[in-house]
Amino acid sequence: DQQVKQNSPSLSVQEGRISILNCDYTNSMFDYFLWYKKYPAEGPTFLISISSIKDKNEDGRFTVFLNKSAKHLSLHIVPSQPGDSAVYFCAASAKAGNNRKLIWGLGTSLAVNP
Amino acid sequence: ETGVTQSPTHLIKTRGQQVTLRCSSQSGHNTVSWYQQALGQGPQFIFQYYREEENGRGNFPPRFSGLQFPNYSSELNVNALELDDSALYLCASSPQTGGNRAFFGQGTRLTVV
Repeated sequence: DQQVKQNSPSLSVQEGRISILNCDYTNSMFDYFLWYKKYPAEGPTFLISISSIKDKNEDGRFTVFLNKSAKHLSLHIVPSQPGDSAVYFCAASAKAGNNRKLIWGLGTSLAVNP
Repeated sequence: ETGVTQSPTHLIKTRGQQVTLRCSSQSGHNTVSWYQQALGQGPQFIFQYYREEENGRGNFPPRFSGLQFPNYSSELNVNALELDDSALYLCASSPQTGGNRAFFGQGTRLTVV
């Protein structure tokens, strides 16, 4: 049962254009959402996050939008750069007692072409 | 500030053997989580340690066990290795249990043959 779904395994975008990566979730208890970027042979690195009390969070070229009613979030990268080429993971968490773990999607591989 | 470091980076083991993976958490972080990432999959939560005690566990059998030491470094032990245990094992540290952001090491690539 995949609670966090990234339905597009890959995405190809031209340099300078917008990249939109999508993520859907099923568990309404999730209250915090994160995007991580992963290069081959490296661990995931934190990119941007959003709390469920917000619908938008922006950090430079990266913006995350949250639609709670649709249980959907998206990551926008504008403008896309070749160095953005990586696998992007959406993760969600819910507090359970004194524990908070991340539930991950399968990832979307982004290729930004020069 | 040192980051999360894992050792070894690569490892090859034979089915049935035992393996120990190590993780040094980021300075000031008292919570360590371990994840398994199989090829083409997202990371799957194995367990979390907070102040030397297990503080949550995912859907992994008991042959996956762990330790956290007083300096908050951690070990993941896997007994009776199976071919399906081949994966990237990721360690993440965070400054407190219940915190939202986790910082990851580069992972240990385990291959079971």
